[in-house]
Amino acid sequence: GESVGLHLPTLSVQEGDNSIINCAYSNSASDYFIWYKQESGKGPQFIIDIRSNMDKRQGQRVTVLLNKTVKHLSLQIAATQPGDSAVYFCAENINGQNFVFGPGTRLSVLP
Amino acid sequence: ETGVTQTPRHLVMGMTNKKSLKCEQHLGHNAMYWYKQSAKKPLELMFVYSLEERVENNSVPSRFSPECPNSSHLFLHLHTLQPEDSALYLCASSQALDLLGAGQPQHFGDGTRLSIL
Repeated sequence: GESVGLHLPTLSVQEGDNSIINCAYSNSASDYFIWYKQESGKGPQFIIDIRSNMDKRQGQRVTVLLNKTVKHLSLQIAATQPGDSAVYFCAENINGQNFVFGPGTRLSVLP
Repeated sequence: ETGVTQTPRHLVMGMTNKKSLKCEQHLGHNAMYWYKQSAKKPLELMFVYSLEERVENNSVPSRFSPECPNSSHLFLHLHTLQPEDSALYLCASSQALDLLGAGQPQHFGDGTRLSIL
């Protein structure tokens, strides 16, 4: 039958644990990547970005890792909190101002 | 509070109506974007304006018509929409490309939830 909606991968983690959200990107020429967080009823919120000349970048409680060899991006969230529950998107910059977004991963934080 | 404001937050319209979505950014950016977010697909880029010139139109049907009167405002004019156009329409802004042609982070509004009857 017809799909009701996009089936998002879901990651459930215990409060206080670390979370790792993964993303496979499509274009080996992409040179800029962003992670976004989207809470219910809100637009995507910028979390952290990384350019292709770097392998790792750290922010407050978040780290992004880039593996260009296998076209893989990950977002690590340290000491996950209930407020981190949301859908997380990666976006790759294909050319200029054109970004392609992944389908997203839903993060659920368990008390 | 978001630096990108979209109005209205919710819109219900019939297929023969004409309406407009509005976006305003207070971040001093010079590029603005319209995206469509539906339940069945990842976020889709519709239009890009850079320095008030349209630089991208991702094969969007002509029933969607964008307008960018200045670097702070962006409109999406809607006419004769179809039920499959029901979605969340998101506006974003950024600085245009830097001198090296590198992309810049985009900042999003909270969207307009559009329902077509």
